[in-house]
Amino acid sequence: EPEVTQTPSHQVTQMGQEVILRCVPISNHLYFYWYRQILGQKVEFLVSFYNNEISEKSEIFDDQFSVERPDGSNFTLKIRSTKLEDSAMYFCASSEGRSSGWSGANVLTFGAGSRLTVL
Amino acid sequence: RKEVEQDPGPFNVPEGATVAFNCTYSNSASQSFFWYRQDCRKEPKLLMSVYSSGNEDGRFTAQLNRASQYISLLIRDSKLSDSATYLCVVNPGRGGFKTIFGAGTRLFVKA
Repeated sequence: EPEVTQTPSHQVTQMGQEVILRCVPISNHLYFYWYRQILGQKVEFLVSFYNNEISEKSEIFDDQFSVERPDGSNFTLKIRSTKLEDSAMYFCASSEGRSSGWSGANVLTFGAGSRLTVL
Repeated sequence: RKEVEQDPGPFNVPEGATVAFNCTYSNSASQSFFWYRQDCRKEPKLLMSVYSSGNEDGRFTAQLNRASQYISLLIRDSKLSDSATYLCVVNPGRGGFKTIFGAGTRLFVKA
């Protein structure tokens, strides 16, 4: 079964450092997403990406965050200057397509997550 | 009003019980609806999509009421392995990319 892979599984960093989280979406999927989940809290939307550009972002996704698809397979999330409150599980997801009348096109498949701990 | 709202639970039920979860959403233009399951410290995984006519997958039945902006999930004959957090998920459709997750309802199934 196709899967979304994420690296690293866990990263510990010092406050103020830059972090890059990597994701390989499912190969025939066109839409890519980053979500985060602070321990004990809900899964929160950060950003969606399609056709090499951001299609939608949340208020959480401020100037310290950026996303990139540097090649044909990787999708990265960069946090420029980490803060303590950035500590969370970051999930990458991909989907086949957006609204097309078929809800299956919008099904998100998630990676196992990257746990970020900021000290 | 929250975009997607769920009863947080927890629901503690014995094996074999029937349990129902409810969810409401605020955006009346929402197009796609799902239930995901999340095990502790794991990623969310699709349980089932929710269709307007209602749909069933084994012991799981999902219902959608667009007029009331309400989604439900019924689990029959609960198993120990059903213990997890159940996430109500709404996609706005019509070009919207911001799929929104509810906070989840925690289920504990006991022997």
